[in-house]
Amino acid sequence: DIQMTQSPSFLSASVGDRVTINCKASQNINKYLNWYQQKLGEAPKRLIYNTNNLQTGIPSRFSGSGSGTDYTLTISSLQPEDFATYFCLQHNSFPNTFGAGTKLELK
Amino acid sequence: QVQLQQSGAELVKPGSSVKISCKASGYTFTSYDMHWIKQQPGNGLEWIGWIYPGNGNTKYNQKFNGKATLTADKSSSTAYMQLSSLTSEDSAVYFCARATRRTGFDYWGQGVMVTVSS
Repeated sequence: DIQMTQSPSFLSASVGDRVTINCKASQNINKYLNWYQQKLGEAPKRLIYNTNNLQTGIPSRFSGSGSGTDYTLTISSLQPEDFATYFCLQHNSFPNTFGAGTKLELK
Repeated sequence: QVQLQQSGAELVKPGSSVKISCKASGYTFTSYDMHWIKQQPGNGLEWIGWIYPGNGNTKYNQKFNGKATLTADKSSSTAYMQLSSLTSEDSAVYFCARATRRTGFDYWGQGVMVTVSS
């Protein structure tokens, strides 16, 4: 199975900050990497698919990059509604596997 | 708009089975894979398996072979997951999620909390 190592686990930031979250795969996942946002008690929402494609309706302050084994989610200017948990998913191969999540908290 | 409406929370006894549902609307049910995912606090997210409602084909995470059984009813656009021989380790929130082969999971259900307790 492909292991996804996500960092950091916790991130404290302020409104307006630029933040980055990373996922490292244990092998090449060919850019089949998605990012999701999850708020407590809600369904996850897809932000980015296949490394750098913005999901329809998601603000452009969210962006993704990466290749091979290393991938990054960037939020360019945090808004109050962005404080949530973020996780990555590799869907290059089965079993699909997830990062452990990053909880983004208000400083 | 795409919606995946899951059934309600379940409290079940150890050793029993439970069947949870995921009713799809807003798209052609038989044209997309339906995946199931387990979420436990502290254990993150685990992919259980998928079913293609168009022909009933399934694929499971080896870890859940014998634990989960995925089915789909085309007439009601509803996917089901049955979990058997339940233990406390099966207490979790279970999500269904629509997916395409090319872009992965796009829409998720709201999740079903399953609690296994005597």
